Amino acid sequence: TQLLEQSPQFLSIQEGENLTVYCNSSSVFSSLQWYRQEPGEGPVLLVTVVTGGEVKKLKRLTFQFGDARKDSSLHITAAQPGDTGLYLCAGAYNTDKLIFGTGTRLQVFP
Amino acid sequence: GAGVSQSPSNKVTEKGKDVELRCDPISGHTALYWYRQSLGQGLEFLIYFQGNSAPDKSGLPSDRFSAERTGGSVSTLTIQRTQQEDSAVYLCASSLPPLIQRTETQYFGPGTRLLVL
Repeated sequence: TQLLEQSPQFLSIQEGENLTVYCNSSSVFSSLQWYRQEPGEGPVLLVTVVTGGEVKKLKRLTFQFGDARKDSSLHITAAQPGDTGLYLCAGAYNTDKLIFGTGTRLQVFP
Repeated sequence: GAGVSQSPSNKVTEKGKDVELRCDPISGHTALYWYRQSLGQGLEFLIYFQGNSAPDKSGLPSDRFSAERTGGSVSTLTIQRTQQEDSAVYLCASSLPPLIQRTETQYFGPGTRLLVL
């Protein structure tokens, strides 16, 4: 059962545009992670957010955890073709197991 | 190697045959997970091993699916009497024990691409 909904499901943009990906749930998570997956590879962790309202920046990527710890967003500024991939959010109810979101497939055209 | 490895990388089988997928986790990682990923979609949790505890099998879709972890290291996912709907990428991940860090990073292998004809 999928408990984390991501939107949009697909996103195609031109290089230089900004975008935001959303991850929503009705459940409260102890922490939330964002992964990026490239074709033929496993997902790779980008960031972990723990505190409600927390904002973390990773170069052009900005991650935010909702105040109630039920949702998160990923904002990319000035997207580049190298940002292309499948973005997955994953929530932890405890320290033992992650629930993965439905995924957002991003394509950035030069 | 330093990362999680999986074998085979690709597997083509006929409907009704059994398949075994192998995962070698990172040394020292006591937690091991199996996921299934359909084409371009999110990850579906299958099973979770943590140390010597009983595995969490809550994600296994049917009794045709089973997994073992021998000696707390290598794991094998077995699918019996494969069906066409079993075609997917099967991903393995490992992580440190939850007691060491509050939120764990899961390190994924490259996956096994299974095609059932």
